[in-house]
Order: sequence, then C-alpha cells, then structure tokens
Amino acid sequence: AAGVIQSPRHLIKEKRETATLKCYPIPRHDTVYWYQQGPGQDPQFLISFYEKMQSDKGSIPDRFSAQQFSDYHSELNMSSLELGDSALYFCASSPPGGYNTEAFFGQGTRLTVV
Amino acid sequence: DAKTTQPNSMESNEEEPVHLPCNHSTISGTDYIHWYRQLPSQGPEYVIHGLTSNVNNRMASLAIAEDRKSSTLILHRATLRDAAVYYCILRGPTSGTYKYIFGTGTRLKVLA
Repeated sequence: AAGVIQSPRHLIKEKRETATLKCYPIPRHDTVYWYQQGPGQDPQFLISFYEKMQSDKGSIPDRFSAQQFSDYHSELNMSSLELGDSALYFCASSPPGGYNTEAFFGQGTRLTVV
Repeated sequence: DAKTTQPNSMESNEEEPVHLPCNHSTISGTDYIHWYRQLPSQGPEYVIHGLTSNVNNRMASLAIAEDRKSSTLILHRATLRDAAVYYCILRGPTSGTYKYIFGTGTRLKVLA
C-alpha cells in the first residue's frame, strides 16, 4: 500500500541557509500535517492543511512557511536556519472522515543545521 | 485542549500482556481516543482508536472506561519489536480541532 513519502530523508544545511522539505500524502487523503521532533523530545505540531487550505497552526516559527499544492503534495520552507532547527520533521496525512480517522506518518526528514 | 496523562515508562517481559493506561478526565463526549506508537528513529505509527466501546484490531485492544475518563491500551503478547513510546491522543471538537497533539507518552521497555 502507498505510504506518505517525504524527501529528502536527510538534509544538512548551514546556519542562515534555506531548506525545503517535501511531503507526498497518501492518494485521496484530504489533510496533511507537519511535525517537528527535536532530540529526545515528543513530536510538536507545526501546521496542517485541509483540501489545500491551511486548517490549523501550531508552534511554527515565523521563519517557516508551508503550503499544499494542487496535486496535494506539501512543502515546508524554512529560512534563516538556526542550530536549534536541527530535528526530525514528519509529515502525516489522513483520509476524509472527520475525527474518526487515523493519520499515517512518513519516515521523516532529518535536518541538521551546522 | 483536553489533556492526557500517561506514566513516563513501563517494563514488560516478552510474550506477556501489557496494559498501558491513559487518563483523560476532561474528555468530552465527542472526543475520540487515539493511540500511536513511535519506534526509535521512525515516524509515529497508528495503533488503534475508539469513541465509547472497546475496540480490537490486529495490533492491540483498546479498553475504554464507562465514564470515558480513562482508557487502556492492551498488547496481548509483547515482543521486542513492541518497544516504543506509546502516545494516547484525544481528537475531537474540544481537544483541539483535527490535529494530533502528542503529549509525553509512555516509553515501553520489553525484556527478553
């Protein structure tokens, strides 16, 4: 079965650079979520999109932005990278069905800022 | 947002049942109880979810208290592969829209 695809799997950037993370949700899923997980921490919700419109926003820094495109893939853009942005970034998608649905997570992108 | 409370860690012997508790005393009648787990260096993985009745699937069982203020995830025979952090998450109108909020889960250690 198709899963959530994230690319790249690993990314190394220098401070103040820009990074773009991509997420390809499972076909026919209508909601995409982005999470950040620092070392030894629990996943923190960043932002979500429902049918290509931003639906919820969490603790996402102003330096980060995200969007969902017409083909439903999503991108998380991170600018002016800081050392503290080093983390695992997960994307998830969920199918139609409201609260009675489960989310499927990708394998994540490990971002290292040096 | 409705909150959940879980023990920080638990241990189990291999091939024995494991009962992972979760308290959610502020749950509303329309909040679903979801369980996810995260193995080391992997993305969270769906385990099970329910509303009022107990639920079973190939991975686990979910026992929901009659007043819905607590629930228990049951792994019937723990294996080494079940060692992970288990998260109990509420999802519904009073728990914070459609997003999944991960609290501090329970780190399960399975002993061979």
